[in-house]
Amino acid sequence: AQRVTQPEKLLSVFKGAPVELKCNYSYSGSPELFWYVQYSRQRLQLLLRHISRESIKGFTADLNKGETSFHLKKPFAQEEDSAMYYCVTSGGYNKLIFGAGTRLAVHP
Amino acid sequence: EAGVAQSPRYKIIEKRQSVAFWCNPISGHATLYWYQQILGQGPKLLIQFQNNGVVDDSQLPKDRFSAERLKGVDSTLKIQPAKLEDSAVYLCASSPSGTGIYEQYFGPGTRLTVT
Repeated sequence: AQRVTQPEKLLSVFKGAPVELKCNYSYSGSPELFWYVQYSRQRLQLLLRHISRESIKGFTADLNKGETSFHLKKPFAQEEDSAMYYCVTSGGYNKLIFGAGTRLAVHP
Repeated sequence: EAGVAQSPRYKIIEKRQSVAFWCNPISGHATLYWYQQILGQGPKLLIQFQNNGVVDDSQLPKDRFSAERLKGVDSTLKIQPAKLEDSAVYLCASSPSGTGIYEQYFGPGTRLTVT
């Protein structure tokens, strides 16, 4: 069964530091992968998806099939990036399978 | 556009009582999802509707949970009787239907506490 693993529950960095939120997936075929984000007192929302290969709010994520990873990166963290980040894969029929999430805390 | 609406936002009940949650999806979205998010975990899909038909309910504890989406618009999730381990946030989401993977739009959630 498809599964995503986020090894870090909390990632704490200072403003301006690089950020890498780790995600590994288990899937034998070509996975559909996403990052969803939940800011404080806001709804869970899509941040980016791997097929778009775009940068959203300065974040990028590259699919590495050899390492079965989909890490989320940003070169310079901002305080407003503080949030809960979920790595997500699709289980077919638009079903989403979430990782446990990593809380990113960006300190001034 | 108006987002996904859920009510109530908070509910506290005693074990063995029943509870119901309501969700109204974004207008025009054919697919509706209910997720359970236990503290410290990611959301887990309970049930997925396409219009008023069930697509996936493989992780719904059917001995105590039920859900319906009459008329293919809003939906109700019920727990009867509740157990302590049902304490969680219940999220409703909706998306358009069609081929491919669509972005899911989430509601604010209902936080259930079972004492």
